[in-house]
Amino acid sequence: DAGVTQSPTHLIKTRGQQVTLRCSPKSGHDTVSWYQQALGQGPQFIFQYYEEEERQRGNFPDRFSGHQFPNYSSELNVNALLLGDSALYLCASSLNRDRHTFGPGTRLTVT
Amino acid sequence: GIQVEQSPPDLILQEGANSTLRCNFSDSVNNLQWFHQNPWGQLINLFYIPSGTKQNGRLSATTVATERYSLLYISSSQTTDSGVYFCAVETGGFKTIFGAGTRLFVKA
Repeated sequence: DAGVTQSPTHLIKTRGQQVTLRCSPKSGHDTVSWYQQALGQGPQFIFQYYEEEERQRGNFPDRFSGHQFPNYSSELNVNALLLGDSALYLCASSLNRDRHTFGPGTRLTVT
Repeated sequence: GIQVEQSPPDLILQEGANSTLRCNFSDSVNNLQWFHQNPWGQLINLFYIPSGTKQNGRLSATTVATERYSLLYISSSQTTDSGVYFCAVETGGFKTIFGAGTRLFVKA
């Protein structure tokens, strides 16, 4: 039984570009949450998707958007990349509000 | 918004020692989770513990929701326990807030 998978593993982008990160939840899970983790800090909540809708959003600008598909997989899109967007992006899946299972993350570097 | 404070921020142990990590939160929460992040960045869920006490091998956790704190106990520590331990709480909405973490290094 595969856990949470994320792609790509690493990504290098230029300031101003757009990026799409992908997440496949653990089998049986229906909820996906996205987090940004800067070096040396705890993960920061970006948003959560449930039943293909964004049901909660953290303190992130509209440049950050997402989507959840009928198979519960999810995408995180970031437009107009800034140097400060460089971070580890983590996806977590759960069965509604139950315990989180995290993926390995995507490390994004913006130059 | 809710504040989540973890202590101590850093901890160095000799292999075999025991330790207690603390998580304080400033408001009532729907649930609380403890995670271990290894040096490669992978977050592992240790406990889902909105209240009460749970044990898993050498680890145990206690949450006293009425007093707004949780404790994570590590007994007979091993070098593989090194990493960062995070406490995370879910608020009245669906937002999960992480503390800043406790960085643990276990010496052989």
